[in-house]
Amino acid sequence: DTGVSQDPRHKITKRGQNVTFRCDPISEHNRLYWYRQTLGQGPEFLTYFQNEAQLEKSRLLSDRFSAERPKGSFSTLEIQRTEQGDSAMYLCASSLGARVSGNTIYFGEGSWLTVV
Amino acid sequence: QKEVEQNSGPLSVPEGAIASLNCTYSDRGSQSFFWYRQYSGKSPELIMSIYSNGDKEDGRFTAQLNKASQYVSLLIRDSQPSDSATYLCAVNEGRGADGLTFGKGTHLIIQP
Repeated sequence: DTGVSQDPRHKITKRGQNVTFRCDPISEHNRLYWYRQTLGQGPEFLTYFQNEAQLEKSRLLSDRFSAERPKGSFSTLEIQRTEQGDSAMYLCASSLGARVSGNTIYFGEGSWLTVV
Repeated sequence: QKEVEQNSGPLSVPEGAIASLNCTYSDRGSQSFFWYRQYSGKSPELIMSIYSNGDKEDGRFTAQLNKASQYVSLLIRDSQPSDSATYLCAVNEGRGADGLTFGKGTHLIIQP
C-alpha cells in the first residue's frame, strides 16, 4: 500500500496523559499536513510541513499540541495533558506541493482519539 | 475569516437520479477547489478537483466552478446507493497558503 499511513488507528487515553500519533506520507510527497475532525464537522487544518520545515503552526489548537517532521519523511503529532475535548479523529495528509496543479491533498485513514 | 458553506442535509435522491451538491466560499483569493467523499467512520477520499471556471467531468461526476459567484457544485449522475456518504467541499486558501478549508459537508442519501 503506497498511501498515507497513520498509527495508531485508535487510541483511548485517560485525561491528563500524553499521546503521540505517527504519519508516514506518500513516498514522493514533500508536504505533510495534520487536520482534526470532530463529529459533524469538516476537517480542521492544524499545521503543515514542507520537507522538514514546519511552515504553519499558528492553527495548532493550543500549546499542548506540537508536531515534528525531523527528517522530512514521517511526522508525529503530540498532544500533552489530554482533555476530553481533544477526542476527535486526527487526519494526516500529504501532497506533492505543486502549486500549478493545485496541490492535491490525499488523506490517511485517520487516528481516532478518545479521552476518558 | 475564510469560510466554506454547505447545506448539511440530509439530501435524499432516488437511485438513478442526479444528485446536486452546492458550496460557497468567502475568500476571493482561493485558487483550487476540491470535492471529497467521506463514508461514516472513514477518512475523506478525493473525488474531484477543479481550478478554472466552468465544468469538469469525470465519469458520473461533474464539478462546476463559478469564481465570480464564489460557488462550486458537484453533480452525480445515475446516483447509486454506494454514493450515499458525506460530501465535503474544500478550498485551497490561495495566495501561497497551503491548507485546505473544508465545509461541514452535505450528507447524501441515495434511496434504492
